[in-house]
This record gives sequence, structure tokens and C-alpha cells, in this order.
Amino acid sequence: GAGVSQSPSNKVTEKGKDVELRCDPISGHTALYWYRQSLGQGLEFLIYFQGNSAPDKSGLPSDRFSAERTGGSVSTLTIQRTQQEDSAVYLCASSLVRHSGANVLTFGAGSRLTVL
Amino acid sequence: QKEVEQNSGPLSVPEGAIASLNCTYSDRGSQSFFWYRQYSGKSPELIMSIYSNGDKEDGRFTAQLNKASQYVSLLIRDSQPSDSATYLCAVDLGNNRLAFGKGNQVVVIP
Repeated sequence: GAGVSQSPSNKVTEKGKDVELRCDPISGHTALYWYRQSLGQGLEFLIYFQGNSAPDKSGLPSDRFSAERTGGSVSTLTIQRTQQEDSAVYLCASSLVRHSGANVLTFGAGSRLTVL
Repeated sequence: QKEVEQNSGPLSVPEGAIASLNCTYSDRGSQSFFWYRQYSGKSPELIMSIYSNGDKEDGRFTAQLNKASQYVSLLIRDSQPSDSATYLCAVDLGNNRLAFGKGNQVVVIP
């Protein structure tokens, strides 16, 4: 697509419920990232996918968080048994990985999650 | 020490003045540095990238990099109300992961 598409744009859920957030990256972009941004904070890295390589999960805050990327394109971030501290904007970004240069990320509009 | 630090509080500048933002990073091996702008309620967008020591100019924006001192800065000349936003410093840690600072809010006063 023309840009990185995320859905839903807003999600309100009750504590303890599971949620799924979806990201459709820019066509042809091999790298996909998930970041989290809490109110007034910077971007917290969660997970990174690159082609068929094993994902870098080093930023996932707990085992309640998981993500997958099917067919090298669309990604789903799943949060199980949501807690109030999970409330944040979840940002997805994609990029072309350049071997000789830097990795420029294009962000989606984000999914705002509110856990009551 | 955090990977990327932006310590200044909100910055208020009069319209037409220069806004100066600073960022320090901890990984000496980092080679690529970025400034993203984020308007309230919106996602970050890339405005500058810099890879070599020295200055890089793009319109009213100038990025400055000093790898020996591990800092990168952003200057906004002739500040406009439309520049009011949060500016995020990002550093490529070399494993295709960008680490971001908390950001600096800039308010341009007409």
C-alpha cells in the first residue's frame, strides 16, 4: 500500500481481556517494527521482523506480549490478559533494509489501546 | 545510562528565532542518526538523517553530529508556528533497531 496501515485505530478493553493489533506495512518493505509510546514518553522498542530471519523479541515487556508476521507482510501484535499499564499507543513501522546505508522507518498512525 | 537521552524540557521560542535541540547516545559504534518530528496525536515522521561528523543542512533544518563526543543536535532556523511539535532523536544501534529518546517539545510563539 501507499503507507503503513494499522488497525484498529482505537481499542478500549477491560482488564484481563486479550487484544490483537494489526499492521500492514508498505509493499516491498522487508523490515517491520513494533514500538509502544506511553503518554509523554518516547518510543519503546518491542519487536523487529526482517524477512525470514528469526524476529528480535528483545523489547517485549512480558510473556503476555507476542507478535507474528505472516508471509513476510502483515503482522499481528497480541497482548494477552491485558493490564492497565498496557495502555499506550502501539506504533508499527516498516523499512527497506539497506546494506550500505541506514534504515529509515516509516510509521503507521498507531493503535491507541486503553485498558479499563 | 539510557541508549539515547534528550534531557531538555519544553522549549519555547519566538517566531523567527532559532530552536536548538540536543541529544546524546551511549553506543560508540552507532553510525546512523535521525531526527523525527511528531505532532500531537500523530505518528513520527522523519525530517533529518545524518551519518558523518559535521553539519547537514536541509532547508531550515541543520543536523550536527559529533561522534567523538557522542552527541547529535538539531537546529531549526526561522522557527514557524508549524514547527511546534515534539522532536525525537533516534540512533541506529547497528542491529537494525532504532533507539529513540523521549523527545523535546518545541513551542513556537507567534
